[in-house]
Amino acid sequence: AQSVSQHNHHVILSEAASLELGCNYSYGGTVNLFWYVQYPGQHLQLLLKYFSGDPLVKGIKGFEAEFIKSKFSFNLRKPSVQWSDTAEYFCAVNGNNQGGKLIFGQGTELSVKP
Amino acid sequence: SQTIHQWPATLVQPVGSPLSLECTVEGTSNPNLYWYRQAAGRGLQLLFYSVGIGQISSEVPQNLSASRPQDRQFILSSKKLLLSDSGFYLCAWSGGQPPKWTQYFGPGTRLLVL
Repeated sequence: AQSVSQHNHHVILSEAASLELGCNYSYGGTVNLFWYVQYPGQHLQLLLKYFSGDPLVKGIKGFEAEFIKSKFSFNLRKPSVQWSDTAEYFCAVNGNNQGGKLIFGQGTELSVKP
Repeated sequence: SQTIHQWPATLVQPVGSPLSLECTVEGTSNPNLYWYRQAAGRGLQLLFYSVGIGQISSEVPQNLSASRPQDRQFILSSKKLLLSDSGFYLCAWSGGQPPKWTQYFGPGTRLLVL
C-alpha cells in the first residue's frame, strides 16, 4: 500500500539553526512530491513541489527539498530558520496515475524559539 | 486567480444530527475536487474526490457522503453524526496538466460533535 512517513513528530529549534525534516514514501511507480505548510490559524499552503527534472527543488521562504529516488525520500531543508517558520509541515505524494489524489504524512510540528 | 471557499468555519453539532459542509471554487472550470479530514496529531486523510458533476469516489468507509451538484461546488454530508466525525475538514481542488496535478486547499471547517 502507498504510504508516507515523516519521522519527526515535533522538532524544536532555536532561530538561525539549520532544519531538515525527513519524509519517506512507499509507492511502486512514478511519483510527484509535495511539501505543504500550515502556519497557526492559516490555510494549508504549498511550500514546494517536485514533478521531474532537477531533484533539488526550491520553494518559498528559503525552503528546499531533495528527491533521492534510491532512498524514496524527499527531505525538506532550510539553512537558517526563523521564529516565523513555526508551523506544521506535511509531506505528500501522488502517483502519476492517481488523478491527483494525495497521500499525506502525519505531519511535523516545528517550534522555533526566538 | 482561483480561490476556494469553505463554510462554515466552525461547527458544533450534537451526536445524531445531520451535517452539510460546503465548498466552492472560483476562477477555474471542471476542477478535480477533494475532501480531506485532519485529525489531531495525524496527517490528512482523503475522504472523497470528484472529477466532475455527479461523479464521486469514496476512499474510506465512513458515516459521511459527498455530492457535487455543480461544477465548482462540493458538499460533504452526514445523516447522523457520530462522535468520531469530529475533526478538521479540508476541501481542495487540483490544477495543472495531468499528471502534474497540484492541490490547493481551502481554509477548512472545524467540526466538533458533542
